[in-house]
Amino acid sequence: GQSLEQPSEVTAVEGAIVQINCTYQTSGFYGLSWYQQHDGGAPTFLSYNALDGLEETGRFSSFLSRSDSYGYLLLQELQMKDSASYFCAARSGNTPLVFGKGTRLSVIA
Amino acid sequence: KAGVTQTPRYLIKTRGQQVTLSCSPISGHRSVSWYQQTPGQGLQFLFEYFSETQRNKGNFPGRFSGRQFSNSRSEMNVSTLELGDSALYLCASRDGETQYFGPGTRLLVL
Repeated sequence: GQSLEQPSEVTAVEGAIVQINCTYQTSGFYGLSWYQQHDGGAPTFLSYNALDGLEETGRFSSFLSRSDSYGYLLLQELQMKDSASYFCAARSGNTPLVFGKGTRLSVIA
Repeated sequence: KAGVTQTPRYLIKTRGQQVTLSCSPISGHRSVSWYQQTPGQGLQFLFEYFSETQRNKGNFPGRFSGRQFSNSRSEMNVSTLELGDSALYLCASRDGETQYFGPGTRLLVL
């Protein structure tokens, strides 16, 4: 089966940079996705990495190393509105998207 | 385009009852997945449908079932509800590698 591990909680200061790590175990790995979910809201797509390297989208970047079965989400210039849960997710071939248990990010002043 | 819609948004049932949840994907999306979300367990995959066929099924008991219609709308049914079925049920439609989630149905079983 597939499994993804990520820290359960992270706290960071407004304006700072935070990195949320995700390690995965899956055969036939396709790619790693990241989703953001605010309390009471639905998960929303942030990024997808199929190849090794860094993908940048505004203040958010996502990195993947297939050889290390590892990826991370990098959030820069943190804002209070970034307080949310962040999920990494992986898919293999025709298997469904499997999510990690999520990292709750708290941004403090 | 309108987003993924789910009905109802909130539901209260008692143990032993059954429930049907509905999901309408984004127009043109043929893949619909269902997830159960509970505190501490993250999003657990229930099933995925594509063009009315169940493509994948998660590790849930047979009380959980689903189907997809020709217009891609999907329903999931839970029979003989248990207290542990209380959760947020999320539906998502897929376009490539991006899942678009609906707002969810929050089910409370008393």
